[in-house]
Amino acid sequence: DAGVIQSPRHEVTEMGQEVTLRCKPISGHNSLFWYRQTMMRGLELLIYFNNNVPIDDSGMPEDRFSAKMPNASFSTLKIQPSEPRDSAVYFCASSYGGASDTQYFGPGTRLTVL
Amino acid sequence: QKEVEQNSGPLSVPEGAIASLNCTYSDRGSQSFFWYRQYSGKSPELIMFIYSNGDKEDGRFTAQLNKASQYVSLLIRDSQPSDSATYLCAAFTGTASKLTFGTGTRLQVTL
Repeated sequence: DAGVIQSPRHEVTEMGQEVTLRCKPISGHNSLFWYRQTMMRGLELLIYFNNNVPIDDSGMPEDRFSAKMPNASFSTLKIQPSEPRDSAVYFCASSYGGASDTQYFGPGTRLTVL
Repeated sequence: QKEVEQNSGPLSVPEGAIASLNCTYSDRGSQSFFWYRQYSGKSPELIMFIYSNGDKEDGRFTAQLNKASQYVSLLIRDSQPSDSATYLCAAFTGTASKLTFGTGTRLQVTL
């Protein structure tokens, strides 16, 4: 079975541009998580969907960040406008049984905002 | 105070030795705990989880939980160079329904 799929794997953009990250969870998993990882702050939960519905978006840094999950097999994380401090690795993860169940991580998107 | 704390390391152990990785958590409501391994440039992958006080063994790995002391540890027996990675401790809290990660401990297994 394919694991969690993320695209793009690398993104380099200039400050002020819109960035869209994409994720396809493991088939059959009903929970999806977006994380951001930096050296300073480690792995931080941005938002968590269950059955395509956002459950917890308290980790979304500010209004520049938005996430959608239009169906069970696709989610996007959008940053508009992007800033240099958004540079990080963004991981998508999915699980079968919510946040307490084993989360399987995608390969991540390394974002660099110049 | 961070919710989940780990020593960043690096923790250096010789091949064949026991590596001991430690983690403390602040929320007494935390119910279950996960250890993930992350190789450089890769994504985290689950090693094991524990939710009851005591020890849980899986091959060369043993997770230990002491809820009274709010302490979780991971022991790696017969450490191998392939165990060199960053180990992330995570705590699940039911009230917040979220998994909170520590910043990880980097382990180096030397030949």
